[in-house]
Amino acid sequence: GDSVTQTEGLVTVTEGLPVMLNCTYQTAYSDVAFFWYVQYLNEAPKLLLRSSTDNKRTEHQGFHATLHKSSSSFHLQKSSVQLSDSALYYCALSEGGNYKPTFGKGTSLVVHP
Amino acid sequence: DTTVKQNPRYKLARVGKPVNLICSQTMNHDTMYWYQKKPNQAPKLLLFYYDKILNREADTFEKFQSSRPNNSFCSLYIGSAGLEYSAMYLCASSRSRDWGPSQNTLYFGAGTRLSVL
Repeated sequence: GDSVTQTEGLVTVTEGLPVMLNCTYQTAYSDVAFFWYVQYLNEAPKLLLRSSTDNKRTEHQGFHATLHKSSSSFHLQKSSVQLSDSALYYCALSEGGNYKPTFGKGTSLVVHP
Repeated sequence: DTTVKQNPRYKLARVGKPVNLICSQTMNHDTMYWYQKKPNQAPKLLLFYYDKILNREADTFEKFQSSRPNNSFCSLYIGSAGLEYSAMYLCASSRSRDWGPSQNTLYFGAGTRLSVL
């Protein structure tokens, strides 16, 4: 079956510095969409980014990610983090004809002054 | 309105007792999901409804039941709670019917934290 791997459980970054959250995946299908969800404390997870196009950069709220099928990756990056970016970030994938999105364990991002 | 509501936010249950969690959405989404989230684990899909068709995961088939009396409402039922059921339960909905930019994008509720004692 499909799998999503987020290697870091916790990432701590100083405000103003760049960050990259890793996401790699395994899937046997080609018609697949990839997602980053963000969950702030005591809130519902919500969509941050979505992509299904290989080698195309997708941006939202200062974050960006590029799907690289050659390396099975969809890393999330930001060039300058803010304190308000502290949250739990989930990487996920969903096959086109499959109603069962698969999630990674999540990476907790802590931004400190 | 892109709200998915879950009730209650916190639930305390006794071992061996039933538990019923409630979720609603007003986006006319055709698919509703229930995920179980435990610390340091990925959200685990328990079951989902595509329209009126219930699909339960093989490894949790006998542990969870659900109903969807109308498009907006979905419940998760545990017949006899065990300690291992203590977790955050996340409800989500999506529009799965048409392929496009928003297909399979999940809209989540804030979750119900279940503690079984």
